[in-house]
Amino acid sequence: GAVVSQHPSWVICKSGTSVKIECRSLDFQATTMFWYRQFPKQSLMLMATSNEGSKATYEQGVEKDKFLINHASLTLSTLTVTSAHPEDSSFYICSATRYRGGKNIQYFGAGTRLSVL
Amino acid sequence: ELKVEQNPLFLSMQEGKNYTIYCNYSTTSDRLYWYRQDPGKSLESLFVLLSNGAVKQEGRLMASLDTKARLSTLHITAAVHDLSATYFCAVDPSFGNEKLTFGTGTRLTIIP
Repeated sequence: GAVVSQHPSWVICKSGTSVKIECRSLDFQATTMFWYRQFPKQSLMLMATSNEGSKATYEQGVEKDKFLINHASLTLSTLTVTSAHPEDSSFYICSATRYRGGKNIQYFGAGTRLSVL
Repeated sequence: ELKVEQNPLFLSMQEGKNYTIYCNYSTTSDRLYWYRQDPGKSLESLFVLLSNGAVKQEGRLMASLDTKARLSTLHITAAVHDLSATYFCAVDPSFGNEKLTFGTGTRLTIIP
């Protein structure tokens, strides 16, 4: 089956530093990737849609300068949390869309737990 | 604004019992998804429901969709401990663009 790899799985950083999270589709090309955020015991909230070769589309309320998304190739999207603060601590999950059997199927990465001290 | 609500939010049930989780959504959608999430892990896809009246079953789980009522159900039959997890439904109102809106989640605990 399709595999989406997310790296790192857990990162602890100091306040004010930037953190980059990678999302790779390992065995398929994904024109579209999504980034979600999940606070403890809450649901997933879509942050942005990442399309290869174009600027990401951010959901309302998500700061694009805070959460930089780069979709450099059909298999890689990165999310950089700039100048991270404790309130950015969360579980970040990416997903990649694969077109198969006449429909788009979304595959999720294992998630990245970000803790900002 | 699309709202997706699940009921109940928390559920503790004994092994061997049956129960149903409900997912209500507020706008037209032609596809609904069910996912399972174990603590600290990402999402595992359970079901994709693509049409009114769709019913899918996998093991002790069965999902159905009523697009007219904007309601999906996830039925658990003869629960076992391994089914303990958080279950999310998600709706794609963008007709295939895959921008999912997730439900509030139902945290299920199966007790012996």
